[in-house]
Amino acid sequence: EVQLAESGGGLIQPGGSLRVSCVAAGFTVSGNYMSWVRQAPGKGLEWVSVMHSGGTTDYADSVRGRFTISRDNPKNTVYLQMSSLRAEDTAVYYCARWDSGNRALDIWGQGTMVTVSS
Amino acid sequence: EIVLTQSPGTLSLSPGERATLSCRASQSVTSTYLAWYQQKPGQAPRLLIYGASSRATGIPDKFSGSGSGTDFTLTISRLEPEDFAVYYCQQYVSSPYSFGQGTKLEIK
Repeated sequence: EVQLAESGGGLIQPGGSLRVSCVAAGFTVSGNYMSWVRQAPGKGLEWVSVMHSGGTTDYADSVRGRFTISRDNPKNTVYLQMSSLRAEDTAVYYCARWDSGNRALDIWGQGTMVTVSS
Repeated sequence: EIVLTQSPGTLSLSPGERATLSCRASQSVTSTYLAWYQQKPGQAPRLLIYGASSRATGIPDKFSGSGSGTDFTLTISRLEPEDFAVYYCQQYVSSPYSFGQGTKLEIK
């Protein structure tokens, strides 16, 4: 079955760092574009980052320079390393696969909650 | 940066009625890269429509998408209780790959 599962969320103090993970099943992260999308409590969806199959990365301006997307091919896992965290980074973080055929985010994980608070 | 504006913010309809949701882009969006998602409370978003008008796998034909350029529409015919949710459009033409702010479809 094709699926994604995030983990690693939690409570972190402002200025701190946290890494969230996304394990894929049924397909390879290295052969697909993988994205992170977040959703603050009671708010809409915000695109955060993407890693292309070739390794190119891109970020929203709100996280550029603070967040880093990476992948571990043998573990079939995508990561989002977050540093210099702010209260406004508090959100559910979803990973999703961008399907090159559909040209849309067709597979989503269940999300992991990151709370930035003192 | 492409800004997507969805309207209305909230749409109140009764089961059996037809819903029309709008997504307007601040600049032209290639239809190939315009998608619609459905999100229910406590759940991850689900892909409904890609390429502006193609239904994703397993999506019933009561959901249809249309539009081009800067104006796109999601239509849901014959609303059923499970269709009441929040709907988002997204463009994947250029970074940042923005979402609209969402339309909440609620039971009247």
